[in-house]
Amino acid sequence: DAGVTQSPTHLIKTRGQHVTLRCSPISGHKSVSWYQQVLGQGPQFIFQYYEKEERGRGNFPDRFSARQFPNYSSELNVNALLLGDSALYLCASLLGTPNTGELFFGEGSRLTVL
Amino acid sequence: AQSVAQPEDQVNVAEGNPLTVKCTYSVSGNPYLFWYVQYPNRGLQFLLKYITGDNLVKGSYGFEAEFNKSQTSFHLKKPSALVSDSALYFCAVLPFSGNTGKLIFGQGTTLQVKP
Repeated sequence: DAGVTQSPTHLIKTRGQHVTLRCSPISGHKSVSWYQQVLGQGPQFIFQYYEKEERGRGNFPDRFSARQFPNYSSELNVNALLLGDSALYLCASLLGTPNTGELFFGEGSRLTVL
Repeated sequence: AQSVAQPEDQVNVAEGNPLTVKCTYSVSGNPYLFWYVQYPNRGLQFLLKYITGDNLVKGSYGFEAEFNKSQTSFHLKKPSALVSDSALYFCAVLPFSGNTGKLIFGQGTTLQVKP
């Protein structure tokens, strides 16, 4: 069975640009979460979507947005990139309702902002 | 504020020896607690979770964790470490805040198992 897939795996952008990261959950999983992992730190929660609705949002600026599509895949968009946005962006899918916590993570999209 | 603390940046053990990776938490209510492992340049892998019931939880790859409510701790343990256990370990808590799915992670502890 395919796990959580993310694309692209690596990308380099410059300050002020926009980026779109994509995630496909495990088949049958209806919830997708996004986390930002800055080097040397634990992952920080950005968003969770369940059944195409936003169910939770972390302490991130409005430059960060996301959506979930009818097939449960998801996109994370970041506008006006800053150097501090350089990080590993992790997508995780969840079988069941959002509050069970057993997330299945993809391998991440590593974003470098120059 | 809700938080998770992993007081050790790195834990070093010899192969075959028992290991402990420490985690304490601060949340209101009864939290769900988790351990995840991350290998270099990879995503996180779920190891185990505590929801309710027996304070000793058994998980993947021979790992277990002990929930201690009075000490607000959830330490990860393994009776006999393997070199292949070397990785970055994260403790996480899911506050009972109503369907947000927001896991709060600790800073991570690097486990180094030496032959």
